[in-house]
Amino acid sequence: GNSVTQMEGPVTLSEEAFLTINCTYTATGYPSLFWYVQYPGEGLQLLLKATKADDKGSNKGFEATYRKETTSFHLEKGSVQVSDSAVYFCALMGANNLFFGTGTRLTVIP
Amino acid sequence: SQTIHQWPATLVQPVGSPLSLECTVEGTSNPNLYWYRQAAGRGLQLLFYSVGIGQISSEVPQNLSASRPQDRQFILSSKKLLLSDSGFYLCAWSIGLQGGMDSPLHFGNGTRLTVT
Repeated sequence: GNSVTQMEGPVTLSEEAFLTINCTYTATGYPSLFWYVQYPGEGLQLLLKATKADDKGSNKGFEATYRKETTSFHLEKGSVQVSDSAVYFCALMGANNLFFGTGTRLTVIP
Repeated sequence: SQTIHQWPATLVQPVGSPLSLECTVEGTSNPNLYWYRQAAGRGLQLLFYSVGIGQISSEVPQNLSASRPQDRQFILSSKKLLLSDSGFYLCAWSIGLQGGMDSPLHFGNGTRLTVT
C-alpha cells in the first residue's frame, strides 16, 4: 500500500542554518510527490511537487528531489528564516487522494 | 481564480450534540472534494472524498458522514459528537478527472473543533 514516513520533530534551528527534513515513501508505481506547509492556525499550502523520478521541485528557496532508488523526497533549504517556522508535510498521490506523513514542526529562532 | 471557503473557523460543542461543517469552492467546476482530520500531534487522516454530486467515498468508519448537495459544496456532519471527534478539520479540492494524478490539493483554513 501507499505510505509516507517523515522524520519526527520538532526541529529547532537558528536563522540562516541549513534545513533537511527527511521523507521516504512506499508506493505502487511512481506516484507524484509533494511537500505542503502549514503555518500556525491555517490550512495547508502546497510548497512544491515532483511528478517523476529525478525531478526537482523548488519554491521559496526550498528544494526536494524525487529519488526513485532510495524512495525518498527530502526537503532542503540552504538558509532558513524565522518566517519559515511551520509544520511541513510530505505527501504522495494515490489513486484518489493524498497520503500524508505525520508532519514535522520547524521552529527557527533569531 | 479559485477559492475555497470553510466555516466556522472554531467550534466548541458538547458530547452528543450534532455537527455540521460546510465547505464551498468557487472558480472551478466538477472539483474533487475532500475532508481531512488532523488530530493533535498527528498527521492528516482522509475522512471522505467526492468526485461528483452525491458521490461520497468514506475512508474511515466512524460516526461522521459527508454530503455533496451541489457541485461545489461539501458538508461534514455528525448526529452525535464524541470526545474523540475533537480535532482540526480541513476541506480541500483538486481538479477533477481531467486534472491527472499530479493535481495538487488546495486546502481551506480549517475548522478547529473541540468536543467537551
